[in-house]
Amino acid sequence: DVKVTQSSRYLVKRTGEKVFLECVQDMDHENMFWYRQDPGLGLRLIYFSYDVKMKEKGDIPEGYSVSREKKERFSLILESASTNQTSMYLCASSLGQGANQPQHFGDGTRLSIL
Amino acid sequence: AQTVTQSQPEMSVQEAETVTLSCTYDTSENNYYLFWYKQPPSRQMILVIRQEAYKQQNATENRFSVNFQKAAKSFSLKISDSQLGDTAMYFCAFMKHEGGGADGLTFGKGTHLIIQP
Repeated sequence: DVKVTQSSRYLVKRTGEKVFLECVQDMDHENMFWYRQDPGLGLRLIYFSYDVKMKEKGDIPEGYSVSREKKERFSLILESASTNQTSMYLCASSLGQGANQPQHFGDGTRLSIL
Repeated sequence: AQTVTQSQPEMSVQEAETVTLSCTYDTSENNYYLFWYKQPPSRQMILVIRQEAYKQQNATENRFSVNFQKAAKSFSLKISDSQLGDTAMYFCAFMKHEGGGADGLTFGKGTHLIIQP
């Protein structure tokens, strides 16, 4: 089974801090994704990566950056956290062999910015 | 850009009943994929079923089936013989065919399905 592991289930940080959310997958997937989930808004794509060191902006990239130095790891960075970034963050990965490959999700990180 | 609309924020049915969740989408793409994901209270997002737009036959996975109407841009999910474990948030999602799957999913806002004992 594919395993997508997010480093923290819950995280509390302060406004202005630099925050790192880590995601690791164990199935050698080419594609990795970061989504944000808010009640009543569903999931929205922040950034994605289709290869090491490659990154593409999703629908809501403002205030975020990403890093993919190794194939299995995809990090989401909040450069200067703000209260409106309090949310659930979900990481996902998929094989890079076609759009019909399902995305496999981690358990999510519930981030609170105080 | 694509949009996905789920018009039912919450639904509640009795165990063993059949329930249909609605989803409509808007796109100018001709080739694409549609998915239904389930998110139980444990938060793990799980793929329920997927449909390729170029296939006319509706996808089926055990108790789950879809009614895909491409012209109407409609993609509803039918759950037969509903079980307590089906209680979850259900998300409809869209993915373009081009890009090889690397473009990410566009999700609807979700439907909270509650199965009553």
